[in-house]
Amino acid sequence: DSGVTQTPKHLITATGQRVTLRCSPRSGDLSVYWYQQSLDQGLQFLIQYYNGEERAKGNILERFSAQQFPDLHSELNLSSLELGDSALYFCASSVRLAASSYEQYFGPGTRLTVT
Amino acid sequence: GNSVTQMEGPVTLSEEAFLTINCTYTATGYPSLFWYVQYPGEGLQLLLKATKADDKGSNKGFEATYRKETTSFHLEKGSVQVSDSAVYFCALSDHREGGSEKLVFGKGTKLTVNP
Repeated sequence: DSGVTQTPKHLITATGQRVTLRCSPRSGDLSVYWYQQSLDQGLQFLIQYYNGEERAKGNILERFSAQQFPDLHSELNLSSLELGDSALYFCASSVRLAASSYEQYFGPGTRLTVT
Repeated sequence: GNSVTQMEGPVTLSEEAFLTINCTYTATGYPSLFWYVQYPGEGLQLLLKATKADDKGSNKGFEATYRKETTSFHLEKGSVQVSDSAVYFCALSDHREGGSEKLVFGKGTKLTVNP
């Protein structure tokens, strides 16, 4: 158990719909990252939040958005869903061990199926 | 930008065989390098890491050495077990790039170990 929790575990929805994925980082971790894992694109970084502020953006579609709340949990919102959005969505949080040493710990993921 | 290339496999070995999974990277700076493992139906677990050239990361009998001259971080294990069957991901992060520790992943290598 990494200490990172994600809900729900599975989500099945229809094209055009909107869903919200939730992530709670490990206690004390200020950074939250979202990644998408799909068969054709592999594991891709979507977005990072640090203590409530957006820190970095990756290959995140405009239909997707995220936020991090004062209690540090994060939500990833996916709208106008398409079949190609079906994937595993992972959340991770990180701990800084030293000036240039970090470790990211991953949650169990949310499997999204768009039908 | 930064990228990671790893042998895609699948790799099938007999128990107690020697394992090597090749990983090379492209980076403009001095990244930290990681190996993550994903067991069936689970999230990613950090297996080992190295933060600077010539560092050796090791864990659970696996090891990898950060080779700057060949930009490589090959994963090795002297004697694999059936329980090592999983998908292995090589990854890098460079927090000095944009101040984010986001991970860039290879495509993953599926390992199957037969008894």
